[in-house]
Amino acid sequence: GAVVSQHPSRVICKSGTSVKIECRSLDFQATTMFWYRQFPKQSLMLMATSNEGSKATYEQGVEKDKFLINHASLTLSTLTVTSAHPEDSSFYICSAFIPGLAGGDTDTQYFGPGTRLTVL
Amino acid sequence: SQQGEEDPQALSIQEGENATMNCSYKTSINNLQWYRQNSGRGLVHLILIRSNEREKHSGRLRVTLDTSKKSSSLLITASRAADTASYFCATGDQAGTALIFGKGTTLSVSS
Repeated sequence: GAVVSQHPSRVICKSGTSVKIECRSLDFQATTMFWYRQFPKQSLMLMATSNEGSKATYEQGVEKDKFLINHASLTLSTLTVTSAHPEDSSFYICSAFIPGLAGGDTDTQYFGPGTRLTVL
Repeated sequence: SQQGEEDPQALSIQEGENATMNCSYKTSINNLQWYRQNSGRGLVHLILIRSNEREKHSGRLRVTLDTSKKSSSLLITASRAADTASYFCATGDQAGTALIFGKGTTLSVSS
């Protein structure tokens, strides 16, 4: 079953509004989560690393004031796209490791189902 | 930034045939992972191979890793129409760090 969930799965908003995307780890605690973005027919690009209880680390070229990340608990990270514009339309995916996964591989990264954002 | 290239970018085969996809990367790695993505959907983890491993199998999947050439291959044997998807390799330079993805190979399997 899914170990990482995202909500919403799909959102359409008007230009200039803010959109919050939630990423939850199910049945495990994730001190670190990652946010990726995928434009149509392209690969995933890492946007930022979300650390519980501290500031997120953003990749070069990703505006931290536009993409606000909050990792307030060990099971929830949120990405808020502020003042969204059509060029922000994309597929946003979060991921997490499962530390100490019994019988599993702690280096395996599990991805959420993604959130498709469309900004009109 | 993206780690490297996948080859081919697109592959079309018939059911029952084998599909081979290649991935090259640029920097030293701790592990390399292969993922599948159906159109517009999330990622499904297929297999992880560590830098000290050369080959790994999982069902119809076979992954090889050549760290001297900084390359990996994914072989899907006896392909099925349900294997139609995009396949991405992703590298991790340390345990527990973010992954860097290749550009992906789009596989189409026709029945």
